[in-house]
Amino acid sequence: DAKTTQPNSMESNEEEPVHLPCNHSTISGTDYIHWYRQLPSQGPEYVIHGLTSNVNNRMASLAIAEDRKSSTLILHRATLRDAAVYYCILRDRGSGSRLTFGEGTQLTVNP
Amino acid sequence: DVKVTQSSRYLVKRTGEKVFLECVQDMDHENMFWYRQDPGLGLRLIYFSYDVKMKEKGDIPEGYSVSREKKERFSLILESASTNQTSMYLCASSLIGVYGYTFGSGTRLTVV
Repeated sequence: DAKTTQPNSMESNEEEPVHLPCNHSTISGTDYIHWYRQLPSQGPEYVIHGLTSNVNNRMASLAIAEDRKSSTLILHRATLRDAAVYYCILRDRGSGSRLTFGEGTQLTVNP
Repeated sequence: DVKVTQSSRYLVKRTGEKVFLECVQDMDHENMFWYRQDPGLGLRLIYFSYDVKMKEKGDIPEGYSVSREKKERFSLILESASTNQTSMYLCASSLIGVYGYTFGSGTRLTVV
């Protein structure tokens, strides 16, 4: 599976936008970009996924670079509840349903 | 909402015991997964299943087995628990394809 690179940690202030970057320079044409987050003492939670076009849902937006070698998860107004580890994962549609988690980015939200 | 329910939140077992971790999902998902999560090692896939009675090894299957007799239920079995299997165990399910996974809340297993 192609790998992703994320910063170990990021900080944000409450009610400000947060841009979480992810690099995936070896992404293949059949890889979808998935984002999950894990709140303390909980299982991971699906956030969003996309292939080529930018995607929006009620939780976040996903901006995908034109060459698909990087993407950014955007939280439009951070809340304290958004403090979590965020995982960017590539998932090949041809290799079944496996998700391989990396280390993710620990997001701290300051009041 | 899709729910993935793990039978126990906390479990303490003795070394050598046979341990069953149960996972049930209520949304007719074809795929089910077992992961373990350890500090510094992240989430690692133990086993997964695409359909009833089907199973595939993940990245760390040693010391574990699984059972999927019904579509909604996926059991993880530790045949003879050891202290290095002390961990947080997470179950997940998904539809076939590139849909998102839904995870349970996890079972924190301590083997003493």
